[in-house]
Amino acid sequence: GQQVMQIPQYQHVQEGEDFTTYCNSSTTLSNIQWYKQRPGGHPVFLIQLVKSGEVKKQKRLTFQFGEAKKNSSLHITATQTTDVGTYFCAESLTGGGNKLTFGTGTQLKVEL
Amino acid sequence: NAGVMQNPRHLVRRRGQEARLRCSPMKGHSHVYWYRQLPEEGLKFMVYLQKENIIDESGMPKERFSAEFPKEGPSILRIQQVVRGDSAAYFCASSPGTASNQPQHFGDGTRLSIL
Repeated sequence: GQQVMQIPQYQHVQEGEDFTTYCNSSTTLSNIQWYKQRPGGHPVFLIQLVKSGEVKKQKRLTFQFGEAKKNSSLHITATQTTDVGTYFCAESLTGGGNKLTFGTGTQLKVEL
Repeated sequence: NAGVMQNPRHLVRRRGQEARLRCSPMKGHSHVYWYRQLPEEGLKFMVYLQKENIIDESGMPKERFSAEFPKEGPSILRIQQVVRGDSAAYFCASSPGTASNQPQHFGDGTRLSIL
């Protein structure tokens, strides 16, 4: 079956440093969604990208969808301790009732 | 405006017992999804239901697992004769429909521990 890989698996940064996680698929993605899961918490929807080459920003977060729609990235500028958590990309299969295929996730730790 | 409600938050069972996990979707949402998350891993789709119908159960193990979403009441994920490998967090999500611009809203999950 289709696999969505994310790198890196873990990332430790000092507060104020930037952070980027990459999501890669072997097949063309119909769309990409990003979720954040705090330790012990549940996934929280951040954003959805649909168009090839699309870029969206939410304050310090920048989301990109690759031109070939096979990869995506999430970049956080000047991380804060509140950014701690695991970031997942996911594809929503519109032909499959919108069930989500999640990436492997990137766990972010931010140190003071 | 209550979100997706799951209970119990934590459930401990001994091997061979049954586990019942409940999920009440957000008000106005008629589509329910169940996902399983093993420790340190991503979420894996299990089943997608609408009221009284199982739409897609391609992620459900063939044995011991079942799900329902009755006309009245919450959606139930049932695991019979639990084994150690069933220990995981089980998340329920709901959406109002299946249009591509409708994100899923997740509950707090049920952490299932098998002794």
